[in-house]
Formats: sequence, structure tokens, C-alpha cells
Amino acid sequence: GAVVSQHPSWVICKSGTSVKIECRSLDFQATTMFWYRQFPKQSLMLMATSNEGSKATYEQGVEKDKFLINHASLTLSTLTVTSAHPEDSSFYICSAGTAPGNTIYFGEGSWLTVV
Amino acid sequence: QQQVKQSPQSLIVQKGGISIINCAYENTAFDYFPWYQQFPGKGPALLIAIRPDVSEKKEGRFTISFNKSAKQFSLHIMDSQPGDSATYFCAASIGGSNYKLTFGKGTLLTVNP
Repeated sequence: GAVVSQHPSWVICKSGTSVKIECRSLDFQATTMFWYRQFPKQSLMLMATSNEGSKATYEQGVEKDKFLINHASLTLSTLTVTSAHPEDSSFYICSAGTAPGNTIYFGEGSWLTVV
Repeated sequence: QQQVKQSPQSLIVQKGGISIINCAYENTAFDYFPWYQQFPGKGPALLIAIRPDVSEKKEGRFTISFNKSAKQFSLHIMDSQPGDSATYFCAASIGGSNYKLTFGKGTLLTVNP
């Protein structure tokens, strides 16, 4: 199956700093990418939908100025958590798809710990 | 408002048994129903998916049963193995698989040897 890679797999940052997580589709061009966050033993919560070359669409309650999403190419989307706080500590997962009706593939996830 | 309700929260099955996880949805516009398997610390992996024009889909030991009138669908894992121990999520979306997925809350499956 298609591969979606996330980097880094885990990151620890200090409170107040910014951290960037990358999501890459390795063997296909992804017109749409999705970003989720998942707290321990909970379900995935969609944060935003990003389409290549356009602004991301954020879900209700997600601060777009805090969670910056960039989808500059068909193989790369980035999530930047700005001014991170301990409550932002979570498992962040991206998914990517091609044309409508095609399968969505998930990345391995990125653990963020803010200390 | 939770649009996809999943049960049970946790399930313990003996090796060789059948694991059954149920989901119910509210939005009749949903037209794509996938199941994902997630191991600890990993991203979810697509297991099997169904569209509402089919009442059942089988892939190996995994079967989805779909009841459109009841707005319910379920995952059956036949001959459950310890390696199947994971969290399973049902999901639903509108407009095929390239649109937003609404996830259930997940079921932690433990298969005892």
C-alpha cells in the first residue's frame, strides 16, 4: 500500500517554543491531507483539512493561528504548533489521499511532549 | 454531537473466537464506512471498508456487515489471534474516502492466548 511518512516520530520541546511536524506522501501525490490529534486512549479528532496550494480548513474549536498548516506541494504538508504549551502534548497524525474516492492512508504519527 | 457510536469500549476474546464490534451512525448522507486497526504508538491502518450498496464484505478473517435501514455496521473478526489485539475504530464519511472521516470512540480488543 501507499506510504505516508511523518517526521519526527517524537519530539520534546520547551513551553513557549514552536515545533514543526512534517507529513510526506512517499509514492503518490496527495491533493488532500488531514491532520488529527489523539489523546491517550481516545479517538482521533480532526484538526484541519489541507489542500495543495490553498489555505487549510480548520475544524471548529481549532486555533488556526496556533496550529499552522502548510501544504506547499503534492507530497508535503507541515503542521507547526506555535507557542506550545503542555496541554498541546498529544499524538499528532496525518493522513493523505489522492483523488476523491481513493483510499486515505495514515502516517505513523508524531508524539509531541511540551515541558 | 457524536455522529458515530461504537461499542463495546473494550472486548476480551479467547484465541480462535469471534470478535464483534458494532457501530451506529446518524447521518444518512454517510456513504463510506471504513474500519481501522491501531496498535499502540502507531497510526491507524485501514482494515476493510464498505459502501451502503453492499450488505456484507469479507476480506480474509475480517467481515463487515452493513444494515442500511438500521444505520448500523459491524466488524467481525473470525478465528481471533493474539496478534489482533489492538484498538479498532469505525469511521464514516460523505463523498467517498477522500473526505473527512468521522471516527467512533474505538474498541480495545484483547485476544487471550
